Amino acid sequence: EVQLVESGGGLVQPGGSLTLSCAASGFTFSRYCMNWVRQVPGKGLVWVAFINRDGTTTKYADSVKDRFTISRDNAMNTVSLQMNRVRSDDTALYYCVQEGRDDYNPYFDSWGQGTLVTVSS
Amino acid sequence: SYGLTQPPSVSVAPGKTASITCGGSNIAKKRVHWYQQKSGQAPVMVIYYDRDRPSGIPERFSGSKSGNTATLTISSVEAGDEADYYCQVWDAARDQTDIFGGGTKLSVL
Repeated sequence: EVQLVESGGGLVQPGGSLTLSCAASGFTFSRYCMNWVRQVPGKGLVWVAFINRDGTTTKYADSVKDRFTISRDNAMNTVSLQMNRVRSDDTALYYCVQEGRDDYNPYFDSWGQGTLVTVSS
Repeated sequence: SYGLTQPPSVSVAPGKTASITCGGSNIAKKRVHWYQQKSGQAPVMVIYYDRDRPSGIPERFSGSKSGNTATLTISSVEAGDEADYYCQVWDAARDQTDIFGGGTKLSVL
């Protein structure tokens, strides 16, 4: 059974930094691309960041580009999201998401339960 | 941007059929995927590749597409189907960033 367990969320001041982590199990982690998707409570899903299987390609939403960094450790089966210079509009529940195996029509096969990030002074 | 648009809400009586649409630019050439998110829970994929069901998803859930509009159909709706539903499209380049529809709240009357 696929399990994705996020951690690292919490309260952070505007302009501060936070690192989210996601521990993956139940599948061969290195064979799957991974993403972070966020959701403001009561609002819709917003894709944040993508990383390919070996970590050589990353993509970001415009709203987080140059502030957030996604990375992975295939030996430890973890994916992380380093969040710098956070803003109040980064406040959201952050989901770690496993893609399916299809690179041409990517879909989100499994989701973690999310970790809540609150940006406030 | 794919410009995925969904109706904000759909209401249906138990036992009836609910249809949720997702319209967008050029999705006729893309594969559309659907997610169900119940209150307080993480999303779950219910349809992928326009019409395929993951294992464990009831046959009551089906997907279709005509031109630039995809449709999620839920037949014999149950109270437990009440949730937010999102469509999603993406491609290999992953250069598009606005990849989810705005979501549709399905209310079971």
